[in-house]
Amino acid sequence: SQQGEEDPQALSIQEGENATMNCSYKTSINNLQWYRQNSGRGLVHLILIRSNEREKHSGRLRVTLDTSKKSSSLLITASRAADTASYFCATDRGDKIIFGKGTRLHILP
Amino acid sequence: DAGVIQSPRHEVTEMGQEVTLRCKPISGHNSLFWYRQTMMRGLELLIYFNNNVPIDDSGMPEDRFSAKMPNASFSTLKIQPSEPRDSAVYFCASSSTLGNTIYFGEGSWLTVV
Repeated sequence: SQQGEEDPQALSIQEGENATMNCSYKTSINNLQWYRQNSGRGLVHLILIRSNEREKHSGRLRVTLDTSKKSSSLLITASRAADTASYFCATDRGDKIIFGKGTRLHILP
Repeated sequence: DAGVIQSPRHEVTEMGQEVTLRCKPISGHNSLFWYRQTMMRGLELLIYFNNNVPIDDSGMPEDRFSAKMPNASFSTLKIQPSEPRDSAVYFCASSSTLGNTIYFGEGSWLTVV
């Protein structure tokens, strides 16, 4: 069963703009991770945020976690063409890690 | 480190044939995962191992699927007999322990005709 659900399913923005993707989940988690998948490739880990953290930064990435709302957001600032990819949230419940269906991000030149 | 290595990268097989996918996890990682990705169902966890022992195989679709991990550096996912609906990308992934970053292989692209 799907634990994390990303929103929107697809997003197209102009290069240089910020991109925001959201993830909602259903049960309590230990941590939440975001991954990127380029077309035809495996998933690559971007950032992990633990359940006792509210915000985390890594370069142009900013992740927030609201455990009361069971939701997380991934913000990519100053988007670049190379950011075109699918982005997945993965929720770690302690017994297993479940991925959502992803958001397809397309950066327009 | 070479990362997670999967083989074959691409396979086309006829319905009814046996398919064996192979995976070498990152050295020192204790957890190994098999995922299947399709457009319709997204990324599904099929099975994961911890210290070579299957912990949760509830995602394995049916008895035609089986997975083994005979040692810390090798795992197989077998489909016998294969069916067209098994066509998907199968990812192997590993992590140092459950809950840590998961490292994915490049996937095995399976087409069953």
